[in-house]
Amino acid sequence: SQQGEEDPQALSIQEGENATMNCSYKTSINNLQWYRQNSGRGLVHLILIRSNEREKHSGRLRVTLDTSKKSSSLLITASRAADTASYFCATARFYNQGGKLIFGQGTELSVKP
Amino acid sequence: DADVTQTPRNRITKTGKRIMLECSQTKGHDRMYWYRQDPGLGLRLIYYSFDVKDINKGEISDGYSVSRQAQAKFSLSLESAIPNQTALYFCATSDPRTGAYNEQFFGPGTRLTVL
Repeated sequence: SQQGEEDPQALSIQEGENATMNCSYKTSINNLQWYRQNSGRGLVHLILIRSNEREKHSGRLRVTLDTSKKSSSLLITASRAADTASYFCATARFYNQGGKLIFGQGTELSVKP
Repeated sequence: DADVTQTPRNRITKTGKRIMLECSQTKGHDRMYWYRQDPGLGLRLIYYSFDVKDINKGEISDGYSVSRQAQAKFSLSLESAIPNQTALYFCATSDPRTGAYNEQFFGPGTRLTVL
């Protein structure tokens, strides 16, 4: 079963606008990560936020984490056409073996020039 | 990113055929993973390996097998392909030296179609 649920499933905005994507999960986590996937390509890691962190920034990306609500958001500011891609959240839990990620279904972002 | 390569990139096969998807990496990572991606379902973990002697089943291992031939190579086999195994398959690696839960580096994917 999928750990992450993402909202919205699809988002269409104009260049220069901000894009916000949300991710909810069901169980406790060690960290939450966001990945980007250009059409038909491999995923690329964007940012990782640990369970004891509330907010993290990387360039035009801002990620928040609310462990009490089991949710995270990814904000892309001043979006560009090149940001058009699918964005996935992935959660990491404590397992004996460790290291496994559980991915959400993704948000498809379209940024129109 | 040429650090993780997958062959073939595209494959069309028939029901009942055995096929192998290969993954190679030059990142020196011990941990390797196989995922499949289906529209609307995100990525689901098939198998993972934390070193050459360690193989573990993931969420959806039925109908698949793997082989870790070396630190750099991790192969996924479909013993008898069926149409619902049509999907995009990704290999990924990670580095345990950065912690148990760390970012994964993905290959470009193999698009598999089973007729």
